[in-house]
Amino acid sequence: QVTLKESGPALVKPTQTLTLTCTLSGFSLSTTGMRVSWIRQPPGKALEWLARIDWDDDKFYRTSLKTRLTISKDTSKNQVVLTMTNMDPVDTATYYCARMHSSGSHSYFDLWGRGTLVTVSS
Amino acid sequence: DIQMTQSPSSLSASVGDRVTITCRASQRISSYLNWYHQKPGKAPELLIYAASSLQSGVPSRFSGSGSGTDFTLTISSLQPEDFATYYCQQTYSTPLTFGGGTKVEIK
Repeated sequence: QVTLKESGPALVKPTQTLTLTCTLSGFSLSTTGMRVSWIRQPPGKALEWLARIDWDDDKFYRTSLKTRLTISKDTSKNQVVLTMTNMDPVDTATYYCARMHSSGSHSYFDLWGRGTLVTVSS
Repeated sequence: DIQMTQSPSSLSASVGDRVTITCRASQRISSYLNWYHQKPGKAPELLIYAASSLQSGVPSRFSGSGSGTDFTLTISSLQPEDFATYYCQQTYSTPLTFGGGTKVEIK
């Protein structure tokens, strides 16, 4: 079965660093063309793309959060890890990981995890 | 960064209605535009990619059009399961960006 699953703390304190893990099943990030992104959604608000890592270790970040985000991969564990430093209550959101599929020159998110809710509060 | 603006932000419609949602990019993005819908408590699901290509398994009542900066998602006959929030997304360049969403509610 092809799935992604997010894991991480449900609650973090302000100023702490958040570490989230996306575990891939049924496919490998080492496959040429494979890309995985993190996307978040504050309660009642729109989707926000955060970061992407590609099979060749290329990395891309949301401009406004670039200084706080790090995305990495552990190919041996088939995992993608996102860290976000200096967490603030406005970072409270459901965090999703998603696979980006390519069809010709076009790409789209064809597979999403169920998401994990992270609350930032003291 | 490319800004994506959706309109309307919400709409009320009845089962059987034809519904149109628009998405405008702040610069030309060719046809690098995808549409998703999201039901409460669930992850988004892909409907349309490359502006007008229907994702496998998505009902044919959904269609997309447009190129450059202006795009449209049309639901030809709204069904009960279509009440959801709809998002456009550009993949022309990173950082990838989503529109603000359009919530389709029952009239």
